[in-house]
Amino acid sequence: DAGVTQSPTHLIKTRGQQVTLRCSPISGHKSVSWYQQVLGQGPQFIFQYYEKEERGRGNFPDRFSARQFPNYSSELNVNALLLGDSALYLCASSLRDDQPQHFGDGTRLSIL
Amino acid sequence: GQQLNQSPQSMFIQEGEDVSMNCTSSSIFNTWLWYKQDPGEGPVLLIALYKAGELTSNGRLTAQFGITRKDSFLNISASIPSDVGIYFCAGRAGGTSYGKLTFGQGTILTVHP
Repeated sequence: DAGVTQSPTHLIKTRGQQVTLRCSPISGHKSVSWYQQVLGQGPQFIFQYYEKEERGRGNFPDRFSARQFPNYSSELNVNALLLGDSALYLCASSLRDDQPQHFGDGTRLSIL
Repeated sequence: GQQLNQSPQSMFIQEGEDVSMNCTSSSIFNTWLWYKQDPGEGPVLLIALYKAGELTSNGRLTAQFGITRKDSFLNISASIPSDVGIYFCAGRAGGTSYGKLTFGQGTILTVHP
């Protein structure tokens, strides 16, 4: 079975632009979470969605938004990009909220 | 954002040696997870712990959920070169925080043949 898949794998944007990152969870998984990982640090929680509803939001500005679709795939949107948004964006899925999360390989976002 | 205190930050060991690392928090967690991340890849789940005092093994890896629910430990026995990578602990609180994992800063493991 396929694991968590994310697209694109790499992305280069300039300051002020907008970006959309995509995630397909493991088949049957209904919970999707997004994390930001800056070089040299552990992942930081951004959002969690379960059954298309937002269940949690981390300490990120309103420039960050997300949604989950009926097929449980998800998108993360970031507006008005800043240099500090350069990071690896990870998506994780789980069967339910209380089950272990499994991660994709991430989207490497670079802001010039 | 909040991160767990993970130590050591890095380890350089010889192949065959045992490894220990730990993670502490000022908050109580209901679940502790240990992940390994290789360059260019996402974290891979190694062990999940659900009860205070629980001791769980996965091959040469053994992890424990601290009885205070504020810490966890990971041991790797008889290390091999493919153990090289970054190991992260992650905790999950209960209630409305079910979907949120809080991560440590990672332990970079280097194994010399």
